[in-house]
Amino acid sequence: NAGVMQNPRHLVRRRGQEARLRCSPMKGHSHVYWYRQLPEEGLKFMVYLQKENIIDESGMPKERFSAEFPKEGPSILRIQQVVRGDSAAYFCASSPWGANYGYTFGSGTRLTVV
Amino acid sequence: SQQGEEDPQALSIQEGENATMNCSYKTSINNLQWYRQNSGRGLVHLILIRSNEREKHSGRLRVTLDTSKKSSSLLITASRAADTASYFCATLKETSGSRLTFGEGTQLTVNP
Repeated sequence: NAGVMQNPRHLVRRRGQEARLRCSPMKGHSHVYWYRQLPEEGLKFMVYLQKENIIDESGMPKERFSAEFPKEGPSILRIQQVVRGDSAAYFCASSPWGANYGYTFGSGTRLTVV
Repeated sequence: SQQGEEDPQALSIQEGENATMNCSYKTSINNLQWYRQNSGRGLVHLILIRSNEREKHSGRLRVTLDTSKKSSSLLITASRAADTASYFCATLKETSGSRLTFGEGTQLTVNP
C-alpha cells in the first residue's frame, strides 16, 4: 500500500498561470481532505470531498480555487491565475471513515509562485 | 484565537528528558488527535483520544484530556534526537464534525 500520493512534490508557477495539484488517497479510502500550510504555521482546512461529491468547502477561497474527486482517478486541487500569496505547502489527507478515526497524510506539494 | 492552540510554541530539551506539550481548544469536541511533522514532510498520526476518555498511552507517548478545561497534553518520555519535529493537536468538533481543525503546533528540539 503506497500511502497517500501527492504530485508534483514541487511546483513553480508564474503569476497568472494555473496550478493543478493531484492526490491519490490510500486504497480503500473514500474521504479526501485538502489543507494549506504557510511557513511556520499550522494547517488550514480547505475542502473535504468524497467520491464525486464536495462535502465541505468552507475553507476554500471563493474565487480561483476549485477541487474535485472524480469517480475514477485522483483528487485535483486547481488554482487559477495564481498570485504570490498562493505560495504554500498543500497537503492532502485521506481516511476510510471520515475524520473520526484520523487521517493519513501525503507528503505535500510545495507551490511557489514567482 | 483558533480552535486548538499549542503551548509552548517551541521547546528545547536534552535527550533522555521528558517533553510536555499542551493544547487548548474552545468548542466541545468529539475527539482530539496529535500529529507529528518532520521538517518539510507530511503529518503523521500519533494518537487519538475520545471525549469520554481521560488518558491514553502509546509506547513513549501519554495523552491526557480534560474536557472541563478544554485542554489536552502530550507527554513524550525519554526523548530521543529523532523526536525532533513539530507536534500538532487537531480537534473534531462535536457540532460540525466533518473535518479536523489543527493548531499552530509546538516545535520540539531534542539535543543529543
